[in-house]
Amino acid sequence: NAGVMQNPRHLVRRRGQEARLRCSPMKGHSHVYWYRQLPEEGLKFMVYLQKENIIDESGMPKERFSAEFPKEGPSILRIQQVVRGDSAAYFCASSPRGVSFNYEQYFGPGTRLTVT
Amino acid sequence: AQKITQTQPGMFVQEKEAVTLDCTYDTSDPSYGLFWYKQPSSGEMIFLIYQGSYDQQNATEGRYSLNFQKARKSANLVISASQLGDSAMYFCAMSNTGTASKLTFGTGTRLQVTL
Repeated sequence: NAGVMQNPRHLVRRRGQEARLRCSPMKGHSHVYWYRQLPEEGLKFMVYLQKENIIDESGMPKERFSAEFPKEGPSILRIQQVVRGDSAAYFCASSPRGVSFNYEQYFGPGTRLTVT
Repeated sequence: AQKITQTQPGMFVQEKEAVTLDCTYDTSDPSYGLFWYKQPSSGEMIFLIYQGSYDQQNATEGRYSLNFQKARKSANLVISASQLGDSAMYFCAMSNTGTASKLTFGTGTRLQVTL
């Protein structure tokens, strides 16, 4: 019973490069959430996706950030032209249901992005 | 707008003692869920306990219990018989029907269990 998988676990990028973070939800889960955790802070919601649909991207920065969850394959969070302020832990979570308040979200181990 | 407040940046507790981590919330939605997550130094987020806004009884999961006081809008986590392995960051979070279940997190409390 595999949990939420994220890769890579650690990613180092130079300023201006692109970062691609992958998330495979738990088996049977079709709802994926991405959160960002800056050092010494709580997690902040970025985007909520279902297969082939972005449901809520109210937490995404307007530029350089995009997310997708294709019909086949993992969800991808893409950061273009990374800057030092993008250094953070990025967590993916999945759940079996979306629009309900009482379904637990299962978190992956996170990807630690360091921009040098 | 939803908001979670955790006013204790750090707490110490002796091994085998009980400890309460505070959490207050603010929402105008009558339907919501409250969650506690543990984040050890390794960084993963571990689900501990859930309380629904309509639940009549306080949630319990092993050594964890949630002291839910709806009128005060508080959802404190109680850890009984603390163990050294409980040393970690603890986050309170909330979801609402109106926000597509996305979680709003507090800033966390760092718990240190001492001998």
